[in-house]
Amino acid sequence: NAGVTQTPKFQVLKTGQSMTLQCAQDMNHNSMYWYRQDPGMGLRLIYYSASEGTTDKGEVPNGYNVSRLNKREFSLRLESAAPSQTSVYFCASSVWTREAQYFGPGTRLLVL
Amino acid sequence: KNEVEQSPQNLTAQEGEFITINCSYSVGISALHWLQQHPGGGIVSLFMLSSGKKKHGRLIATINIQEKHSSLHITASHPRDSAVYICAVRAQGAQKLVFGQGTRLTINP
Repeated sequence: NAGVTQTPKFQVLKTGQSMTLQCAQDMNHNSMYWYRQDPGMGLRLIYYSASEGTTDKGEVPNGYNVSRLNKREFSLRLESAAPSQTSVYFCASSVWTREAQYFGPGTRLLVL
Repeated sequence: KNEVEQSPQNLTAQEGEFITINCSYSVGISALHWLQQHPGGGIVSLFMLSSGKKKHGRLIATINIQEKHSSLHITASHPRDSAVYICAVRAQGAQKLVFGQGTRLTINP
């Protein structure tokens, strides 16, 4: 099992460009999450999907959209990237929201 | 004040020492998680607990619900334990985790 995979690993964007971060899990988990991690701050939840077909905002959703494509895949889209979105993005999944989360390797995003 | 506070922020110790990392939180919770983030960036879940104590190898996690406090202990520390340790809580009735800022642990040989 690959666990949680994320693509790309690293990306450089110019301000105003758009991109989609991909996440997939092969553990048959129902719940999936997108976090960002910035220096000096804890992980912050952007969006989550408690189960297939549902998505909800987290702590810092502005500037992002998500799609729960199917049970395996949960993508994060930046429509118009801003330098403030420079961060490391982690995808995670869990059996249900009340269970331990499994994290992907992260995507390092730099917006110039 | 953050909902989840960890102390210390940074900790350096010698191999073999007993390590304690603390986590305090301000809300009623249904569960507390301890996670480890390796120097390469990967994040691994270590423990999920709602009462008492859990042990896995050299790692022990305890929680005191009344005092809203948890500790992560590492016995016989080793340089490979060097990582950032993160505490996270799920408030009662909530689906989301709230994370502390992490404690950076360095174990010198």
